[in-house]
Amino acid sequence: DAGVTQSPTHLIKTRGQQVTLRCSPKSGHDTVSWYQQALGQGPQFIFQYYEEEERQRGNFPDRFSGHQFPNYSSELNVNALLLGDSALYLCASSRVGGGAFHNEQYFGPGTRLTVT
Amino acid sequence: GQNIDQPTEMTATEGAIVQINCTYQTSGFNGLFWYQQHAGEAPTFLSYNVLDGLEEKGRFSSFLSRSKGYSYLLLKELQMKDSASYLCAVREAAWGNYQLIWGAGTKLIIKP
Repeated sequence: DAGVTQSPTHLIKTRGQQVTLRCSPKSGHDTVSWYQQALGQGPQFIFQYYEEEERQRGNFPDRFSGHQFPNYSSELNVNALLLGDSALYLCASSRVGGGAFHNEQYFGPGTRLTVT
Repeated sequence: GQNIDQPTEMTATEGAIVQINCTYQTSGFNGLFWYQQHAGEAPTFLSYNVLDGLEEKGRFSSFLSRSKGYSYLLLKELQMKDSASYLCAVREAAWGNYQLIWGAGTKLIIKP
């Protein structure tokens, strides 16, 4: 049973550039959430995708955008990168059909983004 | 506002018991999660509480008191591999609100 996968593992970008991160959910899952985790902090919710639409968004600027494909995989795009965007970006998948009250999230290994 | 508080760091001895507390203030409540995160790795699910009381799962137990906005994670028979950060996360109850609100995590250091 394949778990959540993310690519790339590590990425180094320059200020002002754009980046795309990818996530494939756990088999049987249909919902993908993206989080940003700074060192020593808990994850911060960016947004969640379900049925190819953004279902909810956290307190992140429009520079952060996403997409979900028919096969439930997802992309996170960040434009005009800032130094402060350096963080671990985590993708988590869950299954709506598992019950809205206990749809635990399974996390991928994350993408470490460094902006210089 | 939303706020989740956990101790920043705790130290315990191999073989002992440790309790990690989490207090929360959210606009609603629809479940509390505990996750374990080893350095440089993704969080892994440990437990879920939505009703008051204790949930036991092997060496790990989690307790919830909704009236007090309080939870704890109890780790027994500590092993060196339990050295990790432990994250508390709350799902608010508002309809259409699917995000988890996360604490900053408690770094647990296990000493021989």
